[in-house]
Amino acid sequence: GAGVSQSPRYKVAKRGQDVALRCDPISGHVSLFWYQQALGQGPEFLTYFQNEAQLDKSGLPSDRFFAERPEGSVSTLKIQRTQQEDSAVYLCASSYRVEGTQPQHFGDGTRLSIL
Amino acid sequence: KNEVEQSPQNLTAQEGEFITINCSYSVGISALHWLQQHPGGGIVSLFMLSSGKKKHGRLIATINIQEKHSSLHITASHPRDSAVYICAVRRGSNYKLTFGKGTLLTVNP
Repeated sequence: GAGVSQSPRYKVAKRGQDVALRCDPISGHVSLFWYQQALGQGPEFLTYFQNEAQLDKSGLPSDRFFAERPEGSVSTLKIQRTQQEDSAVYLCASSYRVEGTQPQHFGDGTRLSIL
Repeated sequence: KNEVEQSPQNLTAQEGEFITINCSYSVGISALHWLQQHPGGGIVSLFMLSSGKKKHGRLIATINIQEKHSSLHITASHPRDSAVYICAVRRGSNYKLTFGKGTLLTVNP
């Protein structure tokens, strides 16, 4: 596809379950970002990949959060033992180059609800 | 205090009105982004600017680096402009974006 694709669009899980969120960036984009957006707030940085290397995971809120991009294209954000405070929209973005001169292209997000 | 502050938080306008959304930031930046987010979550990048002014259709973005302030203007607003508008800044060569909380714009017919 032409844009960043995220799946699923909506995910409902019970507290304690594990979830996996997928991001398909624009083909050829080197940089990939994950953001968390709580209701009524702006997005907040979670983690950054340059190709398959996770260069920054400083925004991951706990060790229950794990992200990977094994082949430098598709990325998965995994949340283990979900808690209610994990409920948010998870946004993925990609950009063509490494340095910050290119705009980031965002997916439509995955809305995660933890019951 | 957040590094990026937007005002107003909510804005209601009548179709045809001129809209201004403001963004102030407290850190040195290399670029500022204006983003549009429709209900359902998807974010579209409107502008990326580091100085001066940019225009695209009915949208105009300006930035004053000395005053650490940017504005997004919408001329001849239309109900389809209704969305959340988010300001985000990049610091130096850092790839991270720091986002404001967004401004919810509602344009009534």
